[in-house]
Amino acid sequence: SQQGEEDPQALSIQEGENATMNCSYKTSINNLQWYRQNSGRGLVHLILIRSNEREKHSGRLRVTLDTSKKSSSLLITASRAADTASYFCATWDTGRRALTFGSGTRLQVQP
Amino acid sequence: DGGITQSPKYLFRKEGQNVTLSCEQNLNHDAMYWYRQDPGQGLRLIYYSQIVNDFQKGDIAEGYSVSREKKESFPLTVTSAQKNPTAFYLCASSIDGNYNEQFFGPGTRLTVL
Repeated sequence: SQQGEEDPQALSIQEGENATMNCSYKTSINNLQWYRQNSGRGLVHLILIRSNEREKHSGRLRVTLDTSKKSSSLLITASRAADTASYFCATWDTGRRALTFGSGTRLQVQP
Repeated sequence: DGGITQSPKYLFRKEGQNVTLSCEQNLNHDAMYWYRQDPGQGLRLIYYSQIVNDFQKGDIAEGYSVSREKKESFPLTVTSAQKNPTAFYLCASSIDGNYNEQFFGPGTRLTVL
């Protein structure tokens, strides 16, 4: 089952602009995580936000979580061409012992 | 050099053949996972193991089998019963099965000829 749905499916911006991706999910969660995947590669963990947290920062990344709306957003500020990748949200659902991934947002940053 | 490795990087299979994908980690992680990724899609869970000698089916286990005889190894066999095995396969591990981040290998791309 795919719990998370990212929006938009694809995003193209210019270098220096901010990129915002959204994720919606359906069930109760313990935490929500964001991962990045370069084409043809494995995933890299970016940030984890727990269900009792509302906002978290890591470098140029800002993640928000709204458990009442079952949604999260990932903001990448001052984007770079090297940020070009697919970004996935993943939830640890309570009672399920594995992550559930969304379908991803493909981000293209034009130099 | 700690990490999680997968081999081979590319694998070709004839119809009716079983193939085994390797996944090894030296992170001393208890939990390991196998995912399947189809083009332009997210990851779907095949099997996972939270401890040696124990594993559970994920969402799409049919046509796949696993073993977990050693902590550092979690091989996946794609059997002939899997009717549409062409995909990108990703292995991951986490320190335990308790809601932690996962570390991913580089993946194996399996193509059925």
